[in-house]
Amino acid sequence: QSALTQPPSVSGSPGQSVTISCTGTSSDVGSYTRVSWFQQPPDTAPKLMIYDVSNRPSGVPDRFSGSKSGNTASLTISGLQAEDEADYYCSSYTSSDTLVFGRGTKLTVL
Amino acid sequence: QVQLQESGPGLVKPSETLSLTCTVSGGSISSYYWNWIRQPPGKGLEYIGYTHYNGRTNYNPSLKSRVTMSVDTSNNQLSLKLTSVTAADTAVYYCAKAMSYTIDVWGQGTTVTVSS
Repeated sequence: QSALTQPPSVSGSPGQSVTISCTGTSSDVGSYTRVSWFQQPPDTAPKLMIYDVSNRPSGVPDRFSGSKSGNTASLTISGLQAEDEADYYCSSYTSSDTLVFGRGTKLTVL
Repeated sequence: QVQLQESGPGLVKPSETLSLTCTVSGGSISSYYWNWIRQPPGKGLEYIGYTHYNGRTNYNPSLKSRVTMSVDTSNNQLSLKLTSVTAADTAVYYCAKAMSYTIDVWGQGTTVTVSS
């Protein structure tokens, strides 16, 4: 299974919005709603931010939102804050009954 | 609140078998699917596979021939074995809990270096 495609990096100023894309295939993102997003600060385990395309776990700010169209899922962070600076990974359930992760996107808050 | 703690040797010799344990606390090991994920230094996350206490397992096709996962319900522990390791298997290894195909709890990770 091939890793999902994410941009290597994105950046934005405090208060702005950024969107991170996650492109898969009809064998994963395109066929299932089991798409998640994880935030990983340096030297820290990943943290679930979005599940099932657009749902936020308890405690995750509503500045984080998710969507999906066709084979591409997206994570939008609005009202950027310095604490949002981290690596972000998407994941999807696949037709092989496994999960696949994206290659990761480094978010820089300018 | 389920908590996970990985443990095992930090150094493994090439061609040997990597063996890790994940201790589960704060919840029933019988209730969820248990996953292993790894992250090579400076790189992204790679899914290794999952296991369930009922014996059901499934592995990443790229690692399938070398991976074995299991659940020890009596000790509330998970096990990962990876055979014939090479330097490419050097990584931080995470165990993680999943509900409905969503990974929602991660362990802190344990670093494994493959070197002679």
